[in-house]
Amino acid sequence: QSVLTQPPSASGTPGQRVTISCSGSSSNIGSNAVNWYQQLPGTAPKLLIYSNDQRPSGVPDRFSGSKSGTSASLAISGLQSEDEADYYCAAWDDSLNGWVFGGGTKLTVL
Amino acid sequence: EVQLVESGGGLIQPGGSLRLSCAASGFTVSSNYMSWVRQAPGKGLEWVSVIYSGGSTYYADSVKGRFTISRDNSKNTLYLQMNSLRADDTAVYYCASEQQLVLLYWGQGTLVTVSS
Repeated sequence: QSVLTQPPSASGTPGQRVTISCSGSSSNIGSNAVNWYQQLPGTAPKLLIYSNDQRPSGVPDRFSGSKSGTSASLAISGLQSEDEADYYCAAWDDSLNGWVFGGGTKLTVL
Repeated sequence: EVQLVESGGGLIQPGGSLRLSCAASGFTVSSNYMSWVRQAPGKGLEWVSVIYSGGSTYYADSVKGRFTISRDNSKNTLYLQMNSLRADDTAVYYCASEQQLVLLYWGQGTLVTVSS
């Protein structure tokens, strides 16, 4: 059971916009920034969004993040086939003194 | 260029011990917060342990008392000593460096399989 809650799956057709939610608590998302990672099969997680809504250089602006209270979301617009991957949210937890992750959302591009 | 390279994984019997290494280049391990994160086959990411630049260490409850995180500043290398290994420790283990509350750089991972 992951500390952060994500839907296990999401899907969309090319060109569509999809959103993935991430719910936490006051000790993690409520107190600290949320980061999002994209993981392709057999590879290490790649930072997609940091500090709630910031994109590292090289990440397309089709990817955006937001946070409100103890929840966060990742939006992907103009969905492309190469976006098919697992997506994880993460935040530092002040009570656990460690990182907590969502269970991951498998995105399928139909 | 920042690079993290894990090694030391393999097949180990339940109850055994293994030490993972994470060799860093392009930055100084001792100046950063460094974490180990694992991923069981077909499962999500699970944080394992962190060592702060000041030397403080913290562990997930699932590994507390069995795993020890450390670093060798002269080798710019992070370690994870894993004792009393169990089947549910089977996972790919990643090391990651943190900057300003972001696990920014990740290694490629090393697979640990605990099985008789």
